[in-house]
Amino acid sequence: QVQLQESGPGLVKPSETLSLTCTVSGGSVSSGSYYWSWIRQPPGKGLEWIGYIYHTGSTNYNPSLKSRVTISGDTSKNQFSLKLTSVTAADTAVYYCARGDWNHCDYWGQGTLVTVSS
Amino acid sequence: QSALTQPPSASGSPGQSVTISCTGTSSDVGIYNFVSWYQQHPGKAPKLIIYEVSKRPSGVPDRFSGSKSGNAASLTVSGLQAEDEADYYCSSYAGSNNLVFGGGTKLTVL
Repeated sequence: QVQLQESGPGLVKPSETLSLTCTVSGGSVSSGSYYWSWIRQPPGKGLEWIGYIYHTGSTNYNPSLKSRVTISGDTSKNQFSLKLTSVTAADTAVYYCARGDWNHCDYWGQGTLVTVSS
Repeated sequence: QSALTQPPSASGSPGQSVTISCTGTSSDVGIYNFVSWYQQHPGKAPKLIIYEVSKRPSGVPDRFSGSKSGNAASLTVSGLQAEDEADYYCSSYAGSNNLVFGGGTKLTVL
C-alpha cells in the first residue's frame, strides 16, 4: 500500500519561499500512470488544489498560483517537492501531498502545517 | 470564495439518508463528468469516496453514492452511521487543466 509523508519547515517568513518534500513508500513516483499532487487547506477552511507532476515529469498548476509554484520530482529518492515563492499570511495552511489520477486523489499524506509569519 | 458551492451544513438521524449538493457552472460540473467527493474527519487527511461522478473506490461502502444533473452534483449517504459525521468536499475539473473544490459541508449525525 502506497504511503506519503510530507516534510519541511513549519514556519516561513513573509516574502520567502515555502519548500516541502513528499516521500513516497510502497510505490514509485517514476512508474505507473499516476499523478502526484499537492493540495492545501487553510485553517478552518476548504481545500485548494495546487498542482501535480506526472510520472513522466510533466507538470500542471492551479492558474491562480502558477506564477509562484514549482513542483519537481526526485526519482532517486522517490520524492516530489513543492516550492511556493513570495509567500504571505494567506499561504498559511496544512499542505497535503497525494497520489491519484489527474482529476482525483486516492492516497494522501497526513498533511503538514506551514505558518507564514515573521 | 470557493469555485463550487456547497451548503455549510447537513444533518440526519442514524439510518436516514442525507444528500449534499455541489453547485458549479456550465464550465465545470455542467460539462465534465469528473466530479469527486472526499470525506474528512477532524485532524485527518481527506479520503476519496466518489470519483467521476458516481464511481466508488474499492473499500468505500455502497451507502455512499454520487450523481449529477446539469450544473449540480450530489452525494447521498444512505443508512447514516455515527462514523459518517465528517466534512465532505466536492471537486470538479474546470477545464484549462484546473481542478476546483467546494467549500465543504459539515455532516452531523443527530
